[in-house]
Amino acid sequence: DTAVSQTPKYLVTQMGNDKSIKCEQNLGHDTMYWYKQDSKKFLKIMFSYNNKELIINETVPNRFSPKSPDKAHLNLHINSLELGDSAVYFCASSQVPDRAIEAFFGQGTRLTVV
Amino acid sequence: TQLLEQSPQFLSIQEGENLTVYCNSSSVFSSLQWYRQEPGEGPVLLVTVVTGGEVKKLKRLTFQFGDARKDSSLHITAAQPGDTGLYLCAGISGGSYIPTFGRGTSLIVHP
Repeated sequence: DTAVSQTPKYLVTQMGNDKSIKCEQNLGHDTMYWYKQDSKKFLKIMFSYNNKELIINETVPNRFSPKSPDKAHLNLHINSLELGDSAVYFCASSQVPDRAIEAFFGQGTRLTVV
Repeated sequence: TQLLEQSPQFLSIQEGENLTVYCNSSSVFSSLQWYRQEPGEGPVLLVTVVTGGEVKKLKRLTFQFGDARKDSSLHITAAQPGDTGLYLCAGISGGSYIPTFGRGTSLIVHP
């Protein structure tokens, strides 16, 4: 069983479109995250949710809107896609945050905006 | 935002060689983690170090947390092709406890 699963794995779309990426975790974790990994492999936190509530929202354009229908799911909706949004997006989850937490990552969604 | 600098950025070595990867910051962290990421996959946790000066060993991998909890190193002995991957350090601060990643070291071990 996959612990953290994301769909789709690949997404190619045109500028201006709206798209969603889904994420589900079956680990019973309370906290979920979205990270963006750019072409230079830099992994940057975008959002963090704890028990369906937003706790971290880094400087991300408001075209990006996370939605957590329950604590096992954290979806990412992106409006008006731009070329610069091309990247690999990772969903992750962990137990209640503490200094020894382990974040479990999904396989990533490679988004290409053309 | 707390910055983590990793060096070197790229490393290409022959099987059997030893190597060390460094992770440095001007910030103090509650703990520091090392992850390995393989192509097409998400990062996977290798180790968490929480005490200044702590040393942990995982088979041929040795991890050290600096005394001041601002830096860490990963040493691999007798590298093997299976060690190939992107090594990421991540600092965890006492505020948000969200892993903040360095830019990674891309390691290639040639047979």
